[in-house]
Amino acid sequence: AQSVTQPDIHITVSEGASLELRCNYSYGATPYLFWYVQSPGQGLQLLLKYFSGDTLVQGIKGFEAEFKRSQSSFNLRKPSVHWSDAAEYFCAVGARADNDMRFGAGTRLTVKP
Amino acid sequence: EAQVTQNPRYLITVTGKKLTVTCSQNMNHEYMSWYRQDPGLGLRQIYYSMNVEVTDKGDVPEGYKVSRKEKRNFPLILESPSPNQTSLYFCASRLGYGNTGELFFGEGSRLTVL
Repeated sequence: AQSVTQPDIHITVSEGASLELRCNYSYGATPYLFWYVQSPGQGLQLLLKYFSGDTLVQGIKGFEAEFKRSQSSFNLRKPSVHWSDAAEYFCAVGARADNDMRFGAGTRLTVKP
Repeated sequence: EAQVTQNPRYLITVTGKKLTVTCSQNMNHEYMSWYRQDPGLGLRQIYYSMNVEVTDKGDVPEGYKVSRKEKRNFPLILESPSPNQTSLYFCASRLGYGNTGELFFGEGSRLTVL
């Protein structure tokens, strides 16, 4: 069965510092991987996705993620965090032909001034 | 503007009082889905629909019903709400079946059942 683990429930970083949010997945076939962001009071917005090819994918808002098959990981990174990045971040995994994707429990990001 | 619209955004109700949360999308998407979000559990799928008159259960369908009479609408029905259905609910849509397309989410409906 497919599953996603986000080990960090809450992360606090200073504005301007770098960020890495961890995501580990369990999946039997080639996974489709996603990162979504949920700003307060908003729905989820797709940040980036990985289907195949280059293992380093670029997304919106300056985010990137790297797929590492050997580690079953898909960590999200940003070189310099802005106060507006404070939100909850969800990693998700699915198969190409699936009707659904599995979401992790989420990581809440707080940005200190 | 392309969007998924849910109503109501906030609702407090009492045990056993039937309620419906509406969901409408203006993108002509075939696929629609309902999720609930609970702390520490992420999003869990309740029901999904691949097209008009085609619906199926997700991971946590107990206590919920859905219908898909029109392509744009996918209401979530709680026939007899209970306190364990207190949650944040999201409707989502996608162009087609399969995860190659982007899933678009509504802004969420926060439901409290007393």
